[in-house]
Formats: sequence, C-alpha cells, structure tokens
Amino acid sequence: KNQVEQSPQSLIILEGKNCTLQCNYTVSPFSNLRWYKQDTGRGPVSLTIMTFSENTKSNGRYTATLDADTKQSSLHITASQLSDSASYICVVTMGHYGQNFVFGPGTRLSVLP
Amino acid sequence: GEEVAQTPKHLVRGEGQKAKLYCAPIKGHSYVFWYQQVLKNEFKFLISFQNENVFDETGMPKERFSAKCLPNSPCSLEIQATKLEDSAVYFCASSQPGTDTQYFGPGTRLTVL
Repeated sequence: KNQVEQSPQSLIILEGKNCTLQCNYTVSPFSNLRWYKQDTGRGPVSLTIMTFSENTKSNGRYTATLDADTKQSSLHITASQLSDSASYICVVTMGHYGQNFVFGPGTRLSVLP
Repeated sequence: GEEVAQTPKHLVRGEGQKAKLYCAPIKGHSYVFWYQQVLKNEFKFLISFQNENVFDETGMPKERFSAKCLPNSPCSLEIQATKLEDSAVYFCASSQPGTDTQYFGPGTRLTVL
C-alpha cells in the first residue's frame, strides 16, 4: 500500500532550538518528495522538493534530507522561530506523470518563547 | 491570478442541504486538485482535473459529491445532502503542466450542523 508516515505527531520546542522531523514512505514508483509547511488556517506551502538522486536540499533554515534506499526523509529546522509553529507535511509524488500525490499526516510543531 | 482563490471562506449548512464550493486556479495552471482535511488531520485526495477533464477521481465518494472545471469558470465542488461527517476544510490546489508543484488555496471551511 502506498503510504507516508511521519513522526513525531507533535513536537514542542523553545525558540532558538533545532529540531528534526521524520518521514518514512512506501510509495512506488517514486517520483519526488516534498515538504510542506501549513500555518493554522492556511493552505500548505512548499518548502523543499527532492528527486531520487538528491540527498539534501536547503531552504534558509530548513534542510531536508532523502535516503531513497531506506525510503526515509527528514526535515531539520535550525534556530527555530515562533513563526515556525505550523504543521509540516511530507508529500510523495508517485508514478511517471507526476500528478499523483500521497500525503503524510503531518507533524504539528509548536515553538514557544 | 497569482494565487489560488477559494470561495466562500466559511460555509455553514444544515444536514441534508447542498453545499457548493468554488476554486479559481492560478492562471496558466492546467491541473486542479481538491482535498478534504478533517480536524487538521491528513489531507484526503478527492479529485483532480486536467483542464476541464477529470484526471483522477479515485478519492471521490460515489454518492453526493460531484465536481466540475468548465472553461472560463471557477472550478466547483458540490456536495448534495450534506452529512455531519462532511464537516472539514476543503482545499483546492493547482499546478502547471510539466511540474508537480501544487499551489494551495486558503481553503473553505464547511460546517454541517
């Protein structure tokens, strides 16, 4: 079954600290993996995208990694800010046409002052 | 437009009433997706369009739910005879041909009483 799992379900950290979110997938055929940030009351916004051959991708304080062999990805947030409080969703694109998406359940991150 | 627009922002219906949601994709985007998100949980894929043609409708409940994307009109998602469990935020996303970056709208919150 094509599935994306994320851990932890929720996470609370203090402002300025780092954190890492995990994503495991069993999606085949794999096209790419994307991390989205969803602020409360808003639609998700794409942070990073990685294809099969990419191991790491950065976007400011966000760094995503991908291990296509173990089918795992992580999103590392450095020097967290209050505005990082959001849900982070891992989405895997499957197939050859690039328009079939499998969503993870998300990790809810709360950054406290 | 440069953003996916969804209307209305909020919709309240009594059980059994009809609900109709609208989505205007970003100009030039030929793919439109509808998702249902219940209680900030996982995104449930409903249906996707390539221009006015249904691309994938594997997530659509067979009864009560229908959707259209007609030329020169906003796309629409209609729920006949709403049920309490239809209460959710419905997100629309669009993407360009040749890429699979989805741009999400702000969502329509449907509350069925």
